[in-house]
Amino acid sequence: QQQVKQSPQSLIVQKGGISIINCAYENTAFDYFPWYQQFPGKGPALLIAIRPDVSEKKEGRFTISFNKSAKQFSLHIMDSQPGDSATYFCAASKPSNTGKLIFGQGTTLQVKP
Amino acid sequence: DTGVSQDPRHKITKRGQNVTFRCDPISEHNRLYWYRQTLGQGPEFLTYFQNEAQLEKSRLLSDRFSAERPKGSFSTLEIQRTEQGDSAMYLCASSRPGTDNSPLHFGNGTRLTVT
Repeated sequence: QQQVKQSPQSLIVQKGGISIINCAYENTAFDYFPWYQQFPGKGPALLIAIRPDVSEKKEGRFTISFNKSAKQFSLHIMDSQPGDSATYFCAASKPSNTGKLIFGQGTTLQVKP
Repeated sequence: DTGVSQDPRHKITKRGQNVTFRCDPISEHNRLYWYRQTLGQGPEFLTYFQNEAQLEKSRLLSDRFSAERPKGSFSTLEIQRTEQGDSAMYLCASSRPGTDNSPLHFGNGTRLTVT
């Protein structure tokens, strides 16, 4: 059972543009929603995370928008840069163990200069 | 903070051989996790430890897999009688316990290729 669905699978954006990646989850017991960034040959690194008591969280150029009723959340990368080219994963976990993450399938982002 | 360290970075083995991977977590982190990531997919949870106790194992962790964390510091993941389907990146991660959603810090993984 795929509990976290991510789209699109790949994304190409021009430098300076906005990158948007979407995720949908099924289990209403999830209460922690992080986004991870992964470069080739490296492990995933936490970008930003949100809990369902807020609808939006912003850190620098990265913003999470959260819609609890729709069970959806998205990552927005403003002013996208070539250095942002990487694979992005959304994830979710339950309160009992926030380290036991259910990941989406990933989105490969390419930012063209 | 020296980060999560994994060794080796790459391992090529023949089908049927046993392999062992090591993970050194961030020193003050008492939770340690193993994940597996296949090409083009997100990481999948395998197991986790709090200190030396293995508290949960995924159904993905067949009987051929065993993980240990004998002194609550480093951990090892052993795969016996490797199969080609075991080829993947094995990721280790660590975190502090607590209610503040202490973030998971991943290592750079061990890439296993079974020929």
